[in-house]
Amino acid sequence: GDSVTQMEGPVTLSEEAFLTINCTYTATGYPSLFWYVQYPGEGLQLLLKATKADDKGSNKGFEATYRKETTSFHLEKGSVQVSDSAVYFCALSLKTSYDKVIFGPGTSLSVIP
Amino acid sequence: DAGVTQSPTHLIKTRGQQVTLRCSPKSGHDTVSWYQQALGQGPQFIFQYYEEEERQRGNFPDRFSGHQFPNYSSELNVNALLLGDSALYLCASSLAGRGSKNIQYFGAGTRLSVL
Repeated sequence: GDSVTQMEGPVTLSEEAFLTINCTYTATGYPSLFWYVQYPGEGLQLLLKATKADDKGSNKGFEATYRKETTSFHLEKGSVQVSDSAVYFCALSLKTSYDKVIFGPGTSLSVIP
Repeated sequence: DAGVTQSPTHLIKTRGQQVTLRCSPKSGHDTVSWYQQALGQGPQFIFQYYEEEERQRGNFPDRFSGHQFPNYSSELNVNALLLGDSALYLCASSLAGRGSKNIQYFGAGTRLSVL
């Protein structure tokens, strides 16, 4: 079935370090891909998206490129801040499934000053 | 432009009771989906409502039921609560149709604790 796998956390980085969170997916068809972020005690916020192969999603310094050949959608940021501390979820949706979102297990990120 | 709103924010129930959670979709959206997020896990799809009918359902028992009203708002009902139903319940709204951009917008959630 359709699924998302992402690197296990928690991830702890110093401020201004480079961030990569790996994400791979399995899907029957051509999914849209997303990164959602969840700050402590809050709901989910859409961070960025890509709807077709080779698309690059970007927002707030975060980037991810839809790689169909490797079925990946890795999240990157060049210089993290303390305020980036949160849980990050990689996710996919399919039009054939009425856009229901399938989430990965989440990766917790802590950025220390 | 109001986003997705959910009520209540927090709820405490005891085993065997019934609970109703409410969701108002983002303006212009016609589809509502519900997700359960257990502590430390990713959200799991419960079901989706479109045109006042359940269009798709995840792997949840019949104790979980829902409703969508003509104004597109929705309710999630859970009967015979179990301790394992303790979770954050998230509502997401979207716009159906081929022209949509496959994006679901989430509310802040209702945190249900079953004692």
